[in-house]
Amino acid sequence: QVQLVQSGAEVKKPGASVRVSCKASGYTFSAYFINWVRQAPGQGLEWVGWINPNSGVSHSAEKFQGSVTMTRDTSINTAYMELSGLRSDDTAVYYCARSLGDFPVYFDHWGQGILVTVSS
Amino acid sequence: EIVLTQSPGTLSLSPGERATLSCRASQSVRSSYLAWYQQKTGQSPRLLIYGASSRATGIPDRFSGSGSGTDFTLTISRLEPEDFAVYYCQQYGDSPPYTFGQGTKLEIK
Repeated sequence: QVQLVQSGAEVKKPGASVRVSCKASGYTFSAYFINWVRQAPGQGLEWVGWINPNSGVSHSAEKFQGSVTMTRDTSINTAYMELSGLRSDDTAVYYCARSLGDFPVYFDHWGQGILVTVSS
Repeated sequence: EIVLTQSPGTLSLSPGERATLSCRASQSVRSSYLAWYQQKTGQSPRLLIYGASSRATGIPDRFSGSGSGTDFTLTISRLEPEDFAVYYCQQYGDSPPYTFGQGTKLEIK
């Protein structure tokens, strides 16, 4: 069965960077895009960006351009998201989620989420 | 960027009742490219509906989606205890960003 397993919780100081991972199994990793969606405590969902595991091409929402880097390692079916220049309002659960491609972009499987806490 | 507004914010109903959740877009959603998700406390979202009206794999037929243009509806025909959760709509008809509504909390009355 399709599984997206994410790395563990992180605590970082303001200004630092964090890299989180998402390991895929149960399907052909290169055939689907990996998206990142975040959810601040008690808030709604916000799309961060996607990566095409086949090509390595990524695209992020405008507000995250310059601060987010998405990569992948196809040898271990894992996608990564690095967020730099962390601020307190980056505190959120970060989910990876699968989509068919860059269109249509809806999310049929989700990881369990990673809580990233930014605090001094 | 398309803004999605969900109503009501909270819906209080009893098991067995019918639930109707609304999602309104700030501009027309191309080709009804709208999805609905269910999120239970402490869990990841789960895809229910895509393309405004197509049920995702394994989703019971008491869940149905409808609508086009700027107005979309998720209907749960007969509520089961496990259906009480937060529901989000998401549009993917426009170029990124792919936006979500703020959610409707469905609670037991």
